[in-house]
Amino acid sequence: AQSVSQHNHHVILSEAASLELGCNYSYGGTVNLFWYVQYPGQHLQLLLKYFSGDPLVKGIKGFEAEFIKSKFSFNLRKPSVQWSDTAEYFCAVNSAGNNRKLIWGLGTSLAVNP
Amino acid sequence: DGGITQSPKYLFRKEGQNVTLSCEQNLNHDAMYWYRQDPGQGLRLIYYSQIVNDFQKGDIAEGYSVSREKKESFPLTVTSAQKNPTAFYLCATTGLYSNQPQHFGDGTRLSIL
Repeated sequence: AQSVSQHNHHVILSEAASLELGCNYSYGGTVNLFWYVQYPGQHLQLLLKYFSGDPLVKGIKGFEAEFIKSKFSFNLRKPSVQWSDTAEYFCAVNSAGNNRKLIWGLGTSLAVNP
Repeated sequence: DGGITQSPKYLFRKEGQNVTLSCEQNLNHDAMYWYRQDPGQGLRLIYYSQIVNDFQKGDIAEGYSVSREKKESFPLTVTSAQKNPTAFYLCATTGLYSNQPQHFGDGTRLSIL
């Protein structure tokens, strides 16, 4: 069965530190990959996605993620975090094709100290 | 303003009572989903519907029911058979293709009195 693993459940950083959140999935076929963010008190929103082409994708607010097919990974990065990046981050995967059902990771809670 | 409207924002249920959570969308999306979010457990899929008059069980469908009579609407009923209903419930929609992201409503927080 497909699954998504997010390695870090809670991350605490100081402002200007670099961020990398890990995401690995288990599925042998072609996939679509997503990172979502949930700011405190707000709805889940898309940060970035990958479905084909350049494996390094850029999203909103300076985030980027790299798809490494050989490692089944889609790690999220940001060179310098801000206090406003404090949020819950979710990685999600589905198989390419007609299946629109997403498989979700458990999420990573990021706290950025000013 | 296009989007997904979930109501109510907060809901309280007495023991033995069924309650219905509303989800309405004006994005003209075919697929709609209901998730339950609990701390540390991510999003768990309750039910989803890819077309009108059709829906499938997700991973934790027991104690829940849905209907999809209109494209715009996908209400979720939390029945008295759901033994631990206190949670944050999220409705999402998506378009035709698997590479399109899901869009989310603001959620409904259900609590037991």
